Amino acid sequence: AQKVTQAQTEISVVEKEDVTLDCVYETRDTTYYLFWYKQPPSGELVFLIRRNSFDEQNEISGRYSWNFQKSTSSFNFTITASQVVDSAVYFCALRGGGTSYGKLTFGQGTILTVHP
Amino acid sequence: GAGVSQTPSNKVTEKGKYVELRCDPISGHTALYWYRQSLGQGPEFLIYFQGTGAADDSGLPNDRFFAVRPEGSVSTLKIQRTERGDSAVYLCATSPGPNTEAFFGQGTRLTVV
Repeated sequence: AQKVTQAQTEISVVEKEDVTLDCVYETRDTTYYLFWYKQPPSGELVFLIRRNSFDEQNEISGRYSWNFQKSTSSFNFTITASQVVDSAVYFCALRGGGTSYGKLTFGQGTILTVHP
Repeated sequence: GAGVSQTPSNKVTEKGKYVELRCDPISGHTALYWYRQSLGQGPEFLIYFQGTGAADDSGLPNDRFFAVRPEGSVSTLKIQRTERGDSAVYLCATSPGPNTEAFFGQGTRLTVV
């Protein structure tokens, strides 16, 4: 079975603060893919990043960065210098290999509110 | 349009009625997924199509739920004898292949009264 846990239900920060969203996953697959999606109030899930299980290099894209650590089964997401437009629900998701490669398992989501 | 299109955007139906939810994928995307998102929860997998066939339907909650994709493009999620617990946002996503990122539609909000 696969599982994704986002322990932080809600986070509230003031603009320009850095914020890290935690994600811990469980899977028995040796090949798997990890994702982060953003869900703004409009409801559409917006893809942010995909990493495969063989690539543990951290990634930076503008104000966004991701820290993937297989040793702790974590795939954390940091927003640097947060902005009001970052306010949304963020989901971490896992797609396994083998027979489970066709579906994403999502975490419960973290509601991020950035105050001016 | 360029994105995944879902219709209707909102659907209110009476308990016991039959509903159909439609998903128009991004052109050329062979993989199509249906998810259900209840309030305050992450999306939950329902079914995955690769082409015309359902490669994985393990997430369908019971036999009242059924989905088709007869020509490998548009998909329809069908719910019979709707119950109030079926109320949720139903999301469709498509991808060029199974191991690439999935692009989501804006969902159909189903309310069973």
